[in-house]
Amino acid sequence: SQKIEQNSEALNIQEGKTATLTCNYTNYSPAYLQWYRQDPGRGPVFLLLIRENEKEKRKERLKVTFDTTLKQSLFHITASQPADSATYLCALRGSQGNLIFGKGTKLSVKP
Amino acid sequence: NAGVTQTPKFQVLKTGQSMTLQCAQDMNHEYMSWYRQDPGMGLRLIHYSVGAGITDQGEVPNGYNVSRSTTEDFPLRLLSAAPSQTSVYFCASRPSGRDTGELFFGEGSRLTVL
Repeated sequence: SQKIEQNSEALNIQEGKTATLTCNYTNYSPAYLQWYRQDPGRGPVFLLLIRENEKEKRKERLKVTFDTTLKQSLFHITASQPADSATYLCALRGSQGNLIFGKGTKLSVKP
Repeated sequence: NAGVTQTPKFQVLKTGQSMTLQCAQDMNHEYMSWYRQDPGMGLRLIHYSVGAGITDQGEVPNGYNVSRSTTEDFPLRLLSAAPSQTSVYFCASRPSGRDTGELFFGEGSRLTVL
């Protein structure tokens, strides 16, 4: 069966460090992968999309990599700040064209 | 633009009651969907629609009905609420013509069934 796994439920890091979140998938051949941010009590907000033919994508302090051989995406936040504390979700396009989400990783950045 | 608007934000129901969660978007998006989010389970797709008059089931459709009479609105109906339907419900939309599939979410409706 198709699975999306975000390995860590929670990640705690110190301000200024780089946060690295992992998203692994099985039995998918996604054309792209997306990352969302969700704050408590709010809906998810789109951050980045990376296509299967792209190895890396950057947006300000965010960087996403996509390795279709390893079936893995890494999401990096450099120079992390307390305001980056949130839950981050990865998502893949499923067979019916809908987005299938991982369970998310809750990131806490301590000052 | 207001984006995706969900009402109500909070609702408490008794087992067996029925209700409708409302979702409206003002972005002229063809695709609309409903997800539920539970602790430890992540977001799971309930129903979706690729345009007015067209709906289909997602991963967890049992106990829910939807209809899509206009492009703007996509209500989710609970026919006979059960405690297992206690959850946070999110409506999301996107333009079908775009292959990126980026979803725009509402702020959620928190439902408690006693």
